[in-house]
Amino acid sequence: GAVVSQHPSRVICKSGTSVKIECRSLDFQATTMFWYRQFPKQSLMLMATSNEGSKATYEQGVEKDKFLINHASLTLSTLTVTSAHPEDSSFYICSATGLASSYEQYFGPGTRLTVT
Amino acid sequence: GIQVEQSPPDLILQEGANSTLRCNFSDSVNNLQWFHQNPWGQLINLFYIPSGTKQNGRLSATTVATERYSLLYISSSQTTDSGVYFCAVSSGAGSYQLTFGKGTKLSVIP
Repeated sequence: GAVVSQHPSRVICKSGTSVKIECRSLDFQATTMFWYRQFPKQSLMLMATSNEGSKATYEQGVEKDKFLINHASLTLSTLTVTSAHPEDSSFYICSATGLASSYEQYFGPGTRLTVT
Repeated sequence: GIQVEQSPPDLILQEGANSTLRCNFSDSVNNLQWFHQNPWGQLINLFYIPSGTKQNGRLSATTVATERYSLLYISSSQTTDSGVYFCAVSSGAGSYQLTFGKGTKLSVIP
């Protein structure tokens, strides 16, 4: 149980275009989903927290107009990188929580974004 | 915010050896998780252990919340154990945001 999927697993896009990444909880309802970013050989950094049906809360230094997050249902959150630039190239990972009486988070397999 | 320190940063083991990874944190926690990140980037949940001791096969973990540290034990290591091990915590009532340590890179050689 507690499986989280992400799509796509890998994407290459041209500078200036937008890319959408989907995060789905497959076997539970995720009241809260999180988006992280990981640069090579570094740790994960939280970008934003999203609760179903409400606006995402962004961490300091994360541009909300650049990284659009939508959490329209209890099983789906999307991250759209708008007007992507090469410096946005990174590994993006989502996680979800929602199981009763637990703070445990379950992570998706990640999406590797390369902007050329 | 809460600080998370992992040690050692790098560890090289001969196959079959045992190891202990440490995670220190600076405040009380409501969540502590250990993960193994495989070469493809997938984070594998190892333990959800805000306190106490758990075991799963060759792996076990202990969190001493009052002393603000957690230990991950790997016994009889195998080459497939190689990768980066992360400790992550959240702190504060109703707070789910995880703060990650910098990780321990484990290399198990045959």
